[in-house]
Amino acid sequence: SQKIEQNSEALNIQEGKTATLTCNYTNYSPAYLQWYRQDPGRGPVFLLLIRENEKEKRKERLKVTFDTTLKQSLFHITASQPADSATYLCALGTGGFKTIFGAGTRLFVKA
Amino acid sequence: DVKVTQSSRYLVKRTGEKVFLECVQDMDHENMFWYRQDPGLGLRLIYFSYDVKMKEKGDIPEGYSVSREKKERFSLILESASTNQTSMYLCASLYSGQGVQETQYFGPGTRLLVL
Repeated sequence: SQKIEQNSEALNIQEGKTATLTCNYTNYSPAYLQWYRQDPGRGPVFLLLIRENEKEKRKERLKVTFDTTLKQSLFHITASQPADSATYLCALGTGGFKTIFGAGTRLFVKA
Repeated sequence: DVKVTQSSRYLVKRTGEKVFLECVQDMDHENMFWYRQDPGLGLRLIYFSYDVKMKEKGDIPEGYSVSREKKERFSLILESASTNQTSMYLCASLYSGQGVQETQYFGPGTRLLVL
């Protein structure tokens, strides 16, 4: 069956460190992969998109990698801050209008 | 900035009631979506619409219907609310065009409690 998995356990890190979140998928051939941020009680907000033919994408302190052989994406936040604390969702675009979302990983950054 | 608004942030309804959730977007996007979000399950697509009066079932359409009479407005209807429809409901819109990233813009969500 098709699955998209994110670490269900919360990630706790110290301010200033790099946070790394993982997204694994099986039985999909995504055309692109997205990362969203969601704060409690709010809708997700788009952060980054990476296409199947791209290995890495950066935006300010954010970096996303995409390995279609491993079927995995890594999402890095460098120099993390308490304000980065949120839930981060991975989403696969399989073509057309449909996007498949992971359940998200909760990140806590301690001051 | 794209703005997607939802009619209510919190809603409490009784079992068997008919429930309307409204979503409005201000960027002339063709595509609109309704998801529900439950802990540990992520966002699950209920219905989407790619044009006025057009709709497609998502992964979990049972117990729901939708209406898209105007481009900017997409309504989700629970014909007879049940307790297992207690959830966070999220609306999203998407512009489809060449050279545009496939980014969905989400509303703030409606937390629905069915008693």
